Amino acid sequence: NAGVTQTPKFRVLKTGQSMTLLCAQDMNHEYMYWYRQDPGMGLRLIHYSVGEGTTAKGEVPDGYNVSRLKKQNFLLGLESAAPSQTSVYFCASSYSSAGAYEQYFGPGTRLTVT
Amino acid sequence: AQSVTQPDIHITVSEGASLELRCNYSYGATPYLFWYVQSPGQGLQLLLKYFSGDTLVQGIKGFEAEFKRSQSSFNLRKPSVHWSDAAEYFCAVGSSYKLIFGSGTRLLVRP
Repeated sequence: NAGVTQTPKFRVLKTGQSMTLLCAQDMNHEYMYWYRQDPGMGLRLIHYSVGEGTTAKGEVPDGYNVSRLKKQNFLLGLESAAPSQTSVYFCASSYSSAGAYEQYFGPGTRLTVT
Repeated sequence: AQSVTQPDIHITVSEGASLELRCNYSYGATPYLFWYVQSPGQGLQLLLKYFSGDTLVQGIKGFEAEFKRSQSSFNLRKPSVHWSDAAEYFCAVGSSYKLIFGSGTRLLVRP
């Protein structure tokens, strides 16, 4: 099993450009999450999904959109990138709400917005 | 509101020395507590977790943590640190179906 994979691994964007980050998991997990990691701030939850076709806002959702059209995929979109969105983005998944607290993480996407 | 505090931003220990990383949480009910480790350029890997029962939990790579309700703490320990333990360590509390992370402690290991 590949676990949780993220595409791409690195990306540089200019301010105002758009992009989509793809997260895929092969563990048949119901729950999926997008976090951003910034120095000294730990991981902050952007959006999450409790099942196919559902999404919800996390702690820092502004400037991001998500979609969960298939159970195994969770997409994070930036419609108009800003320098404040320079960060490392992590996707995670978990089996259920009881086990949701044990999350499995992808390797991350390093995004730079100039 | 739920929160997690890791008071030490950096800790440096000598190889072979013991280690304790501090974690304090704020949570209304019995918490679900986790420690994750992140090696440079990698994602997070679960070290151990506490759900209920025995307050001393064992994890991978020789780590253990003790839940102390009276102190709202969940400190991570290892009796003898190896150079490969150099990484960033995150404490987290489970809230509903989300995790709330501390800001992390970076561990440096002196040869």
